[in-house]
Amino acid sequence: GAVVSQHPSRVICKSGTSVKIECRSLDFQATTMFWYRQFPKQSLMLMATSNEGSKATYEQGVEKDKFLINHASLTLSTLTVTSAHPEDSSFYICSARRQTGGDEQYFGPGTRLTVT
Amino acid sequence: DQQVKQNSPSLSVQEGRISILNCDYTNSMFDYFLWYKKYPAEGPTFLISISSIKDKNEDGRFTVFLNKSAKHLSLHIVPSQPGDSAVYFCAASRYIGYDKIIFGKGTRLHILP
Repeated sequence: GAVVSQHPSRVICKSGTSVKIECRSLDFQATTMFWYRQFPKQSLMLMATSNEGSKATYEQGVEKDKFLINHASLTLSTLTVTSAHPEDSSFYICSARRQTGGDEQYFGPGTRLTVT
Repeated sequence: DQQVKQNSPSLSVQEGRISILNCDYTNSMFDYFLWYKKYPAEGPTFLISISSIKDKNEDGRFTVFLNKSAKHLSLHIVPSQPGDSAVYFCAASRYIGYDKIIFGKGTRLHILP
């Protein structure tokens, strides 16, 4: 158990458009989901923490109006990159923590975003 | 400012031998350390962790050593197997269950036949 999926796995969009990435916990309920970004040859950087039914908490330097996070249910969180620019091209990866306790974060396979 | 450093981008080890992956950290507030393994096109999966009250934690072929005074930890894999070829991320947080995990850049391990 503890499978996290992301959709899409790859997306290419034009500059100025918005793109939505979904993160789902397939076989468990997640009270908390996390969104990370990884630039080439860099480490995973936490962007924001989202709790079901409440507003996301963003890390310093992450624009909340640009990266909209919605955690509407215990199995789904979405990240919308609004007015995307080429510098937003990156690997976005989510993780989820079980509702029933435990400290481990289970990661999704990631989404490669390319903005042209 | 890289708080968790993995200075070796890649490492090649003969099958059956010991693989040693190193990690250094700078933030003395870190008290909980984790290793994740990542295969291509998959998300990182948790491998092993250690709390700062210990200096060693072992799980099967995997052992993590922590030297808190040196702010250094290492992951030992013995014996190395072909399926161990992956990217290994060292990570740290302030305590177990703390939301923010700081990751290193990863080390790509190649197990040679």
